[in-house]
Amino acid sequence: QSALTQPASVSGSPGQSITISCTGTTSDVGNYNLVSWYQQHPGKAPKLILFRGNDRPSGVSNRFSGSKSGNTASLTISGLQGEDDADYYCSSYAGSGISVFGTGTKVTVL
Amino acid sequence: EMQLVQSGAEVRKTGDSLKISCEAAGYNFNNYWFGWVRQVPGKGLEWMGIIYPGDSDTRYSPSFAGQVTISVDKSVKTVYLQWSSLKASDAAVYYCARHSNLAAVDDAFELWGQGTVVTVSS
Repeated sequence: QSALTQPASVSGSPGQSITISCTGTTSDVGNYNLVSWYQQHPGKAPKLILFRGNDRPSGVSNRFSGSKSGNTASLTISGLQGEDDADYYCSSYAGSGISVFGTGTKVTVL
Repeated sequence: EMQLVQSGAEVRKTGDSLKISCEAAGYNFNNYWFGWVRQVPGKGLEWMGIIYPGDSDTRYSPSFAGQVTISVDKSVKTVYLQWSSLKASDAAVYYCARHSNLAAVDDAFELWGQGTVVTVSS
């Protein structure tokens, strides 16, 4: 399994919306509605913010939303806030119990 | 509520063996999939593999199959990641994590440990 492709960096001003793409193949993103997204602040463990495409764990802000079209999934952060400044990783199930992470995107709040 | 507590930082030499651990405090240990994720300093997350304590069913990423061994001891609610011969390229932070839903192999990692730093010198 090759890593899913994400843009290296995305930036936005407070209050704006940004979207991070996550491109895979017909073997992972395109074949399953099982993309999840993680947020990671420096020196911290990752935190799950979306699973099964657009489901949020309890306590996660509704400013985070997900979608998918073909082999590409997307994470949208609306109403950007300073605390959103972090690294973001997508992950997709790829069959046979195996998943794969994306390359990661650094979000900078300007 | 379950928590995952990982073993402390390790410093080893290339060629050494190593086993790091992840202890689950809480209930329903046997019925969730647990996994390991590698993060080389300054790099991204890499999915290594998962194990189901109920029957020790284990799945490995092709990138890590044969390079590491994931195991479990249900009696102490602990999952392990081990190497028989470390390489310099194994230096990283290793996270253990638990799937969100009971018995779901195709799930996301909702609960995470604090990470274990592995340093490998030649």
